[in-house]
Formats: sequence, structure tokens, C-alpha cells
Amino acid sequence: GAVVSQHPSWVICKSGTSVKIECRSLDFQATTMFWYRQFPKQSLMLMATSNEGSKATYEQGVEKDKFLINHASLTLSTLTVTSAHPEDSSFYICSARTGLGAYEQYFGPGTRLTVT
Amino acid sequence: RKEVEQDPGPFNVPEGATVAFNCTYSNSASQSFFWYRQDCRKEPKLLMSVYSSGNEDGRFTAQLNRASQYISLLIRDSKLSDSATYLCVVIRYNFNKFYFGSGTKLNVKP
Repeated sequence: GAVVSQHPSWVICKSGTSVKIECRSLDFQATTMFWYRQFPKQSLMLMATSNEGSKATYEQGVEKDKFLINHASLTLSTLTVTSAHPEDSSFYICSARTGLGAYEQYFGPGTRLTVT
Repeated sequence: RKEVEQDPGPFNVPEGATVAFNCTYSNSASQSFFWYRQDCRKEPKLLMSVYSSGNEDGRFTAQLNRASQYISLLIRDSKLSDSATYLCVVIRYNFNKFYFGSGTKLNVKP
């Protein structure tokens, strides 16, 4: 149980275009989903916390107008990288908690974004 | 100062060796602690929780020292399949703030 999927797993896009990444909890309802970014040989950095039906909470330094997060249902959250630049190239990982009292986060397999 | 700091390694050890990693955290209000394992280009997966009283799971032992603000992971009888990056994770605020270390890379060689 507690499987999280992401789509696409790998994407290349041109500078200036937008890319949408989907994160789905397949066998549970996730009231809270998290979006992380990981650069090579660095730790996962939390970008934002997404609660179903409300606006995402962004971490300091993360531009909310550039990284649009929508959590429209209990099983789906999307991250849209708008006007992508080469420096946005990274490994984006989502995770989900199974409930308010649950500490464990289940991670999706990640999306590798390359902006050319 | 980083929330969580780890020695990046790599730790290169032979099969059967015992290896230990430490991780320090900066905020004494940190509430919960975990070790995750991340294979190359894969998502992190929970390895084990860390308690003050120590936590053992087979060949893996995790320990928390709140006074010195560090957690440790000991792996006994290393296997080739243990090769991965080990991330320590510190949590605050009702599990909504996960702080990851940059990871310690372990290479177990035959």
C-alpha cells in the first residue's frame, strides 16, 4: 500500500516553456502532499506543502508564481514550472502523507526535468 | 548553518564490514528523526526511525543523542546491496517540516 506515482518520469523542454508534473496517491487519500527539488549530490529541498482544496505553502526563496501548485483532489497534486530556464533543470520529487497523524511520507519516483 | 549536516563520504567498505554514519542537526526543537535510503536516481525510502533508546532492525542500528544533537546509523555485516546514499531526516512542526541531510554515500565492495 501507500504508492505514489509521478508523471512524467523524464521530460526535456525548451527554455521559456511550461511543464506540468503530476503526483498521484494511488491507494490512499493524501490530505497533504509535498514537493521537493534535488540537485545532483545535494539534499532534497522542500519547495512547498500542498493541502487539498487550499493554497500551497511555499518555502522561503521559492517563487510561487513560477512554481504553480494545484491540489484539486485528495489523490492528485500538480506542479507547473512556468517559463522554465536551464537553472530549473533538476529532479523533482513529490511525497504524500496518509493522514494528519502519520509521520511517514511516501515518495513518488521523481521527475527529471531538463531545460535546454 | 544547515539544519542537518552529514559527511558526504563516500564510505568504501568491503563486504562484511561494519560501518557507521553520523548526522548532526542544528535545531534543538526537532521532534522526530529518521534514516532514509536513496538509490541512484530513485526516490528516498524509509529505512528506520530513530529513538533515544536506540532502534535495531536486523543489521541496522539507529541511535539518537539529543544532548549532542546527533543521530547515528550503524550497519553490521555490510552487503553489496547496502550500497546507496543514506539520508538523515529531521522533522518539526507536526511532521510538516522534513529537513533532509545531503546524504552519505556508501559503496560496499566484494
